[in-house]
Formats: sequence, C-alpha cells, structure tokens
Amino acid sequence: AQRVTQPEKLLSVFKGAPVELKCNYSYSGSPELFWYVQYSRQRLQLLLRHISRESIKGFTADLNKGETSFHLKKPFAQEEDSAMYYCALITDSWGKLQFGAGTQVVVTP
Amino acid sequence: GAVVSQHPSWVICKSGTSVKIECRSLDFQATTMFWYRQFPKQSLMLMATSNEGSKATYEQGVEKDKFLINHASLTLSTLTVTSAHPEDSSFYICSARDGVGRASFNEQFFGPGTRLTVL
Repeated sequence: AQRVTQPEKLLSVFKGAPVELKCNYSYSGSPELFWYVQYSRQRLQLLLRHISRESIKGFTADLNKGETSFHLKKPFAQEEDSAMYYCALITDSWGKLQFGAGTQVVVTP
Repeated sequence: GAVVSQHPSWVICKSGTSVKIECRSLDFQATTMFWYRQFPKQSLMLMATSNEGSKATYEQGVEKDKFLINHASLTLSTLTVTSAHPEDSSFYICSARDGVGRASFNEQFFGPGTRLTVL
C-alpha cells in the first residue's frame, strides 16, 4: 500500500539556521512526489514537484529512491517560512494525491 | 495562477439537514476535481475523485450516499452532505487539476475550504 510518512509534527528553528523536513514514502510504482505548503489562513499551494528539480523560495528536495525519501531542505530559514508543510505522492493517473501528516515549521527570530 | 473558489466558506446547519458545497475553477477547465476532508490539526484525507460527466470515485470508507458529488461542468463540482450529523462537522477542501494528460505535470489548485458545523 502506498504511504507517505512525515515523522516530525513540529520543527522549530531559528532564523538563518538550516531546516530539513523529512518525508519517506512507500509506493510500488515509479513515485511522483510533491511538497505543498499552507501559510496561516491561506489555502494549500504547491511548493515543489520532484520532476521539476527546481528551487522555490530557497527550498530544494531530492528524490532518493534508494532511501525512499523526498526530504525538503533550506539552508537559511526565514520567518516567512513559518507554515504547515505537506509531502504528497501521486497514486494514480488522475493525479490523486496522498498526503503525509504534515510538519509545522516555526521560524523564530 | 489558476484560482479555485469554494462556496460557502462556512456553514452551520441543524442535524438531519443537507448541505451543498460548491467548488469552481475560475479561469481554467478542470476535468478532474478532488474532495478532501481535514480534521483539526490533521492532514487532508481524500474523499473522492470527481470527473466531469461521470460518476465520482469514492475512497474506501467514504459513504457515497452520504456525500453526493456532482461534476456537471468543466468548472463546477458540488459536494452535498446529506442528512448531516455532528460527526460530519469538518473542513472540506476541493482541488482542481488543470488540463489533461500526465497528472504529475498538471498542478492541482486548491480551494480555500469550507468549514461545516452541524449542530
């Protein structure tokens, strides 16, 4: 069965410090993974998709098939990065997403 | 970017009544829309996949007679919670996929959510 695991419910970091959000997945096929972000009082929005191999707002994420991971990283956290982050996996051809439990990031000055 | 709206943003109803929630893609056509439920401090749980012009596909454990989904046009999907009970109180979120083709290349855009409270 497919599954997305985000082991950390809460990550508290200081401004300027590196931040890494962990995501592990279980999927029998070729995985297609995403990171979504939800800022306070805003709707969920796409942050990164692994096929694009891009850096958005300083965040990067690399798919590691050997470790079945898709960790999200940023070298220098900013206060505006405080938000809820969800790792998600596409599970069918319609684009159905399975979300992890989410990690709340709090960046303190 | 593409915008998805939901209406109403919040609703309070009495137990036993039915509530309809609308999800609209405002500036793009969405052949596929998704309905999620989110409990406080929890993740999104997919309820069903809604395809324009066909019956919705429900996730295991989701009662299709309880949560009626209609995707009558390329820009509108509705979720009707029938005979609502207090345990149906939740945050309901829809998303719409822009375009056709490989799902991973087509971003899903999320609505702002609808807070349902059943008294």
